[in-house]
Formats: sequence, structure tokens, C-alpha cells
Amino acid sequence: KQEVTQIPAALSVPEGENLVLNCSFTDSAIYNLQWFRQDPGKGLTSLLLIQSSQREQTSGRLNASLDKSSGRSTLYIAASQPGDSATYLCAVITDSWGKLQFGAGTQVVVTP
Amino acid sequence: ETGVTQTPRHLVMGMTNKKSLKCEQHLGHNAMYWYKQSAKKPLELMFVYSLEERVENNSVPSRFSPECPNSSHLFLHLHTLQPEDSALYLCASSRVWEGSYGYTFGSGTRLTVV
Repeated sequence: KQEVTQIPAALSVPEGENLVLNCSFTDSAIYNLQWFRQDPGKGLTSLLLIQSSQREQTSGRLNASLDKSSGRSTLYIAASQPGDSATYLCAVITDSWGKLQFGAGTQVVVTP
Repeated sequence: ETGVTQTPRHLVMGMTNKKSLKCEQHLGHNAMYWYKQSAKKPLELMFVYSLEERVENNSVPSRFSPECPNSSHLFLHLHTLQPEDSALYLCASSRVWEGSYGYTFGSGTRLTVV
């Protein structure tokens, strides 16, 4: 059974610092991996999608890497801002129906 | 709006009530999902529909009854719920088999059972 783990569970940094969020998964047979952002009490916003054949994806200040063989992904957020405060969720798809298996998330606080 | 719309945003219901959650997508996706998010727990998949057929029922109690009348609409019918069913219920859609499986989520329905 696929298990997804996110470390750390919580992270607090001063504004301007770079953020590094880690995700690991136990079964490397994935279709893709997605990073989401969730603000308190809200739905999920998709940040980056990495196909199983890709090594990384970039969007603005965000960069996500994927190492399937070791079962790891890392989300980097450069020059953090208070608006980046949220919970970041990692999820993998492991079957053709597109079912997502989520990690528990990393709660990020960026202080001004 | 994200392209996936959920109503209502908030719902308070008694344990003997019957209510329904609604989800609508205008993205041309061919699969729709219900997820449950409880406090301090990872998101859990409840149901998967693809081309209006249910392809997954993830051991969900029968007091939750999904319905998918067409590829754009998904409902979750609720009856005789328990207080532990209080949670954020999220609908999502995706395009399966033919590309990236990229997901779009709705904003969720915050359900409180009293």
C-alpha cells in the first residue's frame, strides 16, 4: 500500500528565506506527483504537477524535483513572503483512475 | 472560481436529517472524486466516478450515497450521519487516461453534524 510522508510537519521562517519541503513515498510506480497549497478552511490549489518521466517542474518562485527511484520529491520556494503561509500537500497518483494518495502536509508560517 | 464549484459552502445538520452536497465542473474532465478531510488527518478518498460510473467506493459507510448523473455533476447524499462525520468534504475533477491527470479541487463544503 502506498504511503506518503511529509517532513517537517510544521515550519516557521522569516520573510526572505528559502523554503524546502520534503515528500517521500513508498511505491515508486506512480503516474505523477502533485504539490498543492491549502489555506485554512479552504480547498486545494494545485501548484505544480510532475509527470513520472520528469525530474522537475518550475513555476515562478516554485521549483519541485522528483526522484522516483528513491521515492522523494522536494518543493523549493524561493524568497518566501508572508503570503506563502499555508499548508502544503504532496500527493501521488498510483492507478489509472487518478486516485490521489496524500501526505499529511507541512504547515508553513512566514513571519514579516 | 477554480472551475469546480461546490455548494453549499457550509452545512449544519442534525443526525436525523437528509441533505445533499453538490459539485459541478466546467473543465471537460472525465473523472470526478469526493474526498474527506478531517481534523489532524490526511485527505481520504471516498468515491471515484469516471464517465458517470462509480469505479471506487473506498469502504465508505452507506450513510454516504454518491450520485453522478452526468460528467459535469456529482452529488453526495447524506442521511443519519454521526458527529464524527463532521469534516471538510472536497470535490475534485481530473482528466484520466489521456494526459497528465492534473487535478482541480473545489473550495469544499464544511459539514457539521450536531
